[in-house]
Amino acid sequence: DIQMTQSPSSLSASLGDRVTITCRASQSINSYLNWYQQKPGTAPKSLIYTSSSLQSGVPSRFSGSRSGTDFTLTISSLQPEDFATYYCQQSYTTPYTFGQGTKLEIK
Amino acid sequence: QVQLQESGPGLVKPSETLSLGCTVSGGSISNYYWNWFRQPAGTGLEWIGRIYSSGSTFYNPSLKSRVTMSVDTSKNQLSLNLSSVTAADTAVYYCARDASIGDYFDSWGQGTLVTVSS
Repeated sequence: DIQMTQSPSSLSASLGDRVTITCRASQSINSYLNWYQQKPGTAPKSLIYTSSSLQSGVPSRFSGSRSGTDFTLTISSLQPEDFATYYCQQSYTTPYTFGQGTKLEIK
Repeated sequence: QVQLQESGPGLVKPSETLSLGCTVSGGSISNYYWNWFRQPAGTGLEWIGRIYSSGSTFYNPSLKSRVTMSVDTSKNQLSLNLSSVTAADTAVYYCARDASIGDYFDSWGQGTLVTVSS
């Protein structure tokens, strides 16, 4: 299975901050990397697909990028509704696998 | 906008079979892949497998020996069976649809908690 490693596992930040979350794949997955946001008690919500494409309806402060097997989710200016857990997921091959999550908390 | 709703017993005894349904409304099941996931409390997401509307399936090898998925296009319903459950199968179970424009999951059910306990 392809292992997805996210860092950091948790992050404290303030409103208006620029935040970056990283995900590293254990092998090449091309750009088949997706990002999801999950708030407590709710299902994951799609944010970014194929590394850098913004899901319809998602604010433009969210962006994604790729460098080899390293992927980055950036939130340009944190809003109150952004405090949640973020997961990366590879869709290069089955079994699809997720990172362990990054919990973004208010400082 | 498509909506998904999981259903099934919240409590299953060890060694028995976990059976869940997922009703799709606001759209057709046809011509999409449909997936099942689970998430133990406080931990990450695990992909269980997927089924196409034609009935073809792909299971996670870690669960393949115990998983069966099916689809009923006439009822717009999916089903998941997981046999010989143990406490390790306690989790929130989700169904989700593959996006039509890429290999990701764009619509999710709200999830249903299944506890395995005697």
